[in-house]
Amino acid sequence: KNEVEQSPQNLTAQEGEFITINCSYSVGISALHWLQQHPGGGIVSLFMLSSGKKKHGRLIATINIQEKHSSLHITASHPRDSAVYICAVVGGAQKLVFGQGTRLTINP
Amino acid sequence: GAVVSQHPSRVICKSGTSVKIECRSLDFQATTMFWYRQFPKQSLMLMATSNEGSKATYEQGVEKDKFLINHASLTLSTLTVTSAHPEDSSFYICSARDVKDSFYNEQFFGPGTRLTVL
Repeated sequence: KNEVEQSPQNLTAQEGEFITINCSYSVGISALHWLQQHPGGGIVSLFMLSSGKKKHGRLIATINIQEKHSSLHITASHPRDSAVYICAVVGGAQKLVFGQGTRLTINP
Repeated sequence: GAVVSQHPSRVICKSGTSVKIECRSLDFQATTMFWYRQFPKQSLMLMATSNEGSKATYEQGVEKDKFLINHASLTLSTLTVTSAHPEDSSFYICSARDVKDSFYNEQFFGPGTRLTVL
């Protein structure tokens, strides 16, 4: 079993839908990243959080440290949100441990 | 702020040659940079941790003589793939931590370098 598990692995939705991507982890962490990777490969850090909730535009990230679970939500989804979303936890020695990614496709 | 660049963005080389990839923090100083490798449809895998002024720390299974890392300044780390072979073809990504951020330890990612070895 991977230390970081994301679900779903693939998600296709219509423009405007509310999107939720989940991340569960089994190790102790100091923080958790949500990353976005576009088809060209470049990675953008969306959020880093260690407790509670953060919001940036249409994106919302939450984390429950006790339950070892985080969610990324996208409101009013748009085709340009299509990308791979990666959950990564900051574990021992400050190294990142990555989930396998969720491939999101938003159809117009 | 917090921009990390990589050069080149794409490189094609012949088998047996060496390729150098640069990772720069443009608007902050980074005592620690990380090098990752990503194969198609797989997640990122940490190759090594690069510390300014000292030797890099390699992950298990990564050959330090094949993947040479130099972190000579607070804004530049280089990864040299020596005697590259087709199986080294991959997407290489670096990230950097701001030297002033000793609490949050946020990593900022470069845009990646796609290496193709013929």
